Order: sequence, then structure tokens, then C-alpha cells
Amino acid sequence: QSVLTQSPSVSAAPGQKVTISCSGSSSNIGNNYVSWYRQLPGTAPKLLIYENNERPSGIPDRFSGSKSGTSATLGITGLQTGDEADYYCGTWDSSLSSWVFGGGTKLTVL
Amino acid sequence: QVQLQESGPGMVKPSQTLSLTCTVSGGSISRGGYYWSWIRQHPGKGLEWIGYIYYRGRTYYNPSLKSRLAISVDTSKNQFSLKLSSVTAADTAVYYCARYRGQQLDYWGQGTLVTVSS
Repeated sequence: QSVLTQSPSVSAAPGQKVTISCSGSSSNIGNNYVSWYRQLPGTAPKLLIYENNERPSGIPDRFSGSKSGTSATLGITGLQTGDEADYYCGTWDSSLSSWVFGGGTKLTVL
Repeated sequence: QVQLQESGPGMVKPSQTLSLTCTVSGGSISRGGYYWSWIRQHPGKGLEWIGYIYYRGRTYYNPSLKSRLAISVDTSKNQFSLKLSSVTAADTAVYYCARYRGQQLDYWGQGTLVTVSS
């Protein structure tokens, strides 16, 4: 059971928009930055969003992040088949003194 | 461009110690502001943070693994290492090393599968 809660799966059609949510508590999301990672099949995770809503160099603006209270959201617009992947949120948990990940959300682009 | 590469045995016997090394290139491991991390992923499952180390040796460990875990750093080789003792089949996973900066893991190695089996 992950400390951060994500829906197991989400799907949408090419060109559409999707949001992936990540729910936590005051000891993690509520008081720390959230980052998001994309893991394409058979590859290592890659940083997509950091500090709640910042994109690393090279990440297109189709990807966005937001945070409100103890929840965070990843948004992806203009979906492409190449976006099919597992998406994970992550943050520091001050109570556990440990980095924590969400359980991951599998995105299917129909 | 920072690159990380894991290395070590792909198979370990139960009750033995799993040892992996991560070699960092494209940047000095001794540069301040970064922590050097280990993460693992059980087959078909999500990501689990193992722990990380600062170049001066300060460590943070996942409480669930702390009693079996040791992470060390060798600045002369630009490497950091993981040792996990008394392994069982439950430790079979892909192990990743990554750089932790601020509050994100910004560079990852490609991962290495370690199987615990007799």
C-alpha cells in the first residue's frame, strides 16, 4: 500500500487531454514539493515535472503539474500513442523521513 | 549531461548480500547539493525508494530496509554503492540509481535486474 494514492489506470483518445491525480497528506504533499515521472515500457523512469509545476528542459508544455492542499495533478494535453506509459508521483514524507512514490497510473491512449 | 550506470551481479543467493555500484559520469559526485539515490522496482510493481547518500557520507534510508541496508560513496571513483544483506526472493527487483536534487530525482540509470535465487 503506497503512501501516495494514484488511480491504477486512465485512458483517453489521441489528441485528448488527461489528468492523473496523486493524493497524500500534510506530512508529504501538503508540505513538500511534488515531482512526476514517466516510465515507458521497459525503460527507466524519467523526470517530467518537479517542484509541483516546473518542467525540466526538453519536456514539452503538453505536460503540466499542479498542487492543491494534499493532492497533486499531472495534466497531459494533445495525447499521443507514445505517451502510453506508467506515471508516478513522488515527494518527501517528513513523518517517515523517507521519499515516497505513488503506486503509479497506467495511461492507455486508445 | 550527467549519466549514471548500475553494475553488479544479476543473481544473488538467498541469505547473502546484494551489492551494486553506480558509476556517475558527466559530473562530480562531490559537487554539493546532490544526494545519490537507490530505487528499486519489483517485477510488475511500482517504485520503492531505498535510500540516498551525500558525498560527505550522510545517509537517509527507507525505514523498512534500514536494518539490512548500507549505502556508501567513493568520491575518488565517482561511484556510490548499495549493500543489502540477508536477501530473500522478495528482494528480486530492478535496481536503479538516480541523482536527487532539491526534491526531485532528475537523472536515472538504466536499471539492473537482480534475481534472488538458489
